[in-house]
Amino acid sequence: NAGVTQTPKFQVLKTGQSMTLQCAQDMNHNSMYWYRQDPGMGLRLIYYSASEGTTDKGEVPNGYNVSRLNKREFSLRLESAAPSQTSVYFCASLGHTQIGELFFGEGSRLTVL
Amino acid sequence: KQEVTQIPAALSVPEGENLVLNCSFTDSAIYNLQWFRQDPGKGLTSLLLIQSSQREQTSGRLNASLDKSSGRSTLYIAASQPGDSATYLCAVPHGSGNTGKLIFGQGTTLQVKP
Repeated sequence: NAGVTQTPKFQVLKTGQSMTLQCAQDMNHNSMYWYRQDPGMGLRLIYYSASEGTTDKGEVPNGYNVSRLNKREFSLRLESAAPSQTSVYFCASLGHTQIGELFFGEGSRLTVL
Repeated sequence: KQEVTQIPAALSVPEGENLVLNCSFTDSAIYNLQWFRQDPGKGLTSLLLIQSSQREQTSGRLNASLDKSSGRSTLYIAASQPGDSATYLCAVPHGSGNTGKLIFGQGTTLQVKP
């Protein structure tokens, strides 16, 4: 029972490099989300996908792109990494019921030098 | 604009003590409120979710209450244990309805000393 799986768990980039964070969920959930967590700023929503084939901006989308590859997978891409994107990134998916429980992955820790 | 605040930012208590963590929100028109636990270097685990029509939820030694009119929720931890040491975050959905677009508080970091 994997839940939400994120790769890689750790990554170090140089300014200007690009990379993609991968996220997959095995709970057949429709909606998926990408958050970043920074000291003093808490968790902030970057992008989300309400259903397969749709994506929308969250609170802090600048510098990121996303792809909802299929119902299971939702990737986050940094085209030209900047030191301000050093953060811990979390992927999450929303449970089926009307209760609204959110399930999180373990996080991807990204450092941009 | 909805804002979520958690006080205190950090709390240290001796083992066995009962404690209360506070969460306040500025817009009372919430769909639900969730309490999460985050261990160092780990992801968030949902502890309790209170629907807007509910007053409280219980799970083991945890009890969460919700008072929408005053914009407050509390997480009560009974007979605290060292294993309860973690950061506790509360969150409410952005806007109305069932969504994973959450607005988080800054969290309360709890240390329970043996």
